[in-house]
Amino acid sequence: SAVISQKPSRDICQRGTSLTIQCQVDSQVTMMFWYRQQPGQSLTLIATANQGSEATYESGFVIDKFPISRPNLTFSTLTVSNMSPEDSSIYLCSVLGGDTQYFGPGTRLTVL
Amino acid sequence: AQSVTQPDIHITVSEGASLELRCNYSYGATPYLFWYVQSPGQGLQLLLKYFSGDTLVQGIKGFEAEFKRSQSSFNLRKPSVHWSDAAEYFCAVGDTGTYKYIFGTGTRLKVLA
Repeated sequence: SAVISQKPSRDICQRGTSLTIQCQVDSQVTMMFWYRQQPGQSLTLIATANQGSEATYESGFVIDKFPISRPNLTFSTLTVSNMSPEDSSIYLCSVLGGDTQYFGPGTRLTVL
Repeated sequence: AQSVTQPDIHITVSEGASLELRCNYSYGATPYLFWYVQSPGQGLQLLLKYFSGDTLVQGIKGFEAEFKRSQSSFNLRKPSVHWSDAAEYFCAVGDTGTYKYIFGTGTRLKVLA
């Protein structure tokens, strides 16, 4: 399976600011995914990011709030924009290897 | 619509006891099925998966799961639990076309010494 890293691992931010989360994988992958895990909750898919095309967002998530970049086959970023305390969550990226998603360690975000 | 139900929010077992975590799904055809484990402060680690074929699948750390089409279930089992198995367990169903996953709400396992 791929080795996936995320930066930062955690951050504390002020409301109204933005944070960009990086996801790096050690091999080329076609499909990457971004999830949100709110405190004590399960994972919710934010968007699918394929290299060379615009990200596809799930219902309830919009590009203005969660812009995603996918510049190459090993890297993606998720920006959480104009943050509010409700954005406090763990954000995870995953990559598709074969028919299986493999997850990064997550970014724990706290918004004050 | 696709859905995944994990009926047990919390389960407590004694070390050495057997374990079964329940997972029921709703999907129009045979889906891809997964169990992941999340330890505190960690990402998700894949325990096992089912795509087709033998309905009893073996995973890492001594876990196994059985796919039962008639019951729309994919329960996770382990014959003897270790204290290090304390974690949160997520069942997921994957769409065979888009590879998008839907996760259950998770079951938090506590292991008593």
